[in-house]
Amino acid sequence: GESVGLHLPTLSVQEGDNSIINCAYSNSASDYFIWYKQESGKGPQFIIDIRSNMDKRQGQRVTVLLNKTVKHLSLQIAATQPGDSAVYFCAEKIFSGGSNYKLTFGKGTLLTVNP
Amino acid sequence: DVKVTQSSRYLVKRTGEKVFLECVQDMDHENMFWYRQDPGLGLRLIYFSYDVKMKEKGDIPEGYSVSREKKERFSLILESASTNQTSMYLCASSFLRGPAFFGQGTRLTVV
Repeated sequence: GESVGLHLPTLSVQEGDNSIINCAYSNSASDYFIWYKQESGKGPQFIIDIRSNMDKRQGQRVTVLLNKTVKHLSLQIAATQPGDSAVYFCAEKIFSGGSNYKLTFGKGTLLTVNP
Repeated sequence: DVKVTQSSRYLVKRTGEKVFLECVQDMDHENMFWYRQDPGLGLRLIYFSYDVKMKEKGDIPEGYSVSREKKERFSLILESASTNQTSMYLCASSFLRGPAFFGQGTRLTVV
């Protein structure tokens, strides 16, 4: 079947380089953001999240930066490895009161790591 | 580890058949979701549920219904499958505050 990676923005990097994947969001009321990794034929896998009261959060080899002024989110992957090749999605959670919220996904970026 | 399990990885159904896609999560999450994923269109929300027996329409509910009789299980029903429902279907679950966790996906082909 067709890969989810078709028709997506792509980023190609050399193994060992750092990767930066960007995401723009449109709703200034979004207060929680998530990055997912999706390998071919699999479901999205949670990588890291950040709340709107933070501007940076670090995980293992990954860092998420949030710039609320320009509504921009980025995922930095240090020392990129071939196993990092996948589609990366950002998602934003917008609460509208009580238990009501909406989780909206970006279209994704296809990261290809060249050995 | 969070586990979200979808009942099938691959399904082939005939046009007009009633199709059930099952999803089970083991983390006592209140919220459960069904998305479909198509090349160039990304993830689109079909239905979601905030609690048992509760359901809300997402962005593309037409042709689908859902059932949530137990907290851990969220079923997606295609009342009368059509070829334009050929897609990858993804189930997810989450607490109110926190990330959603996804199942492995069901690739449905309607012929």
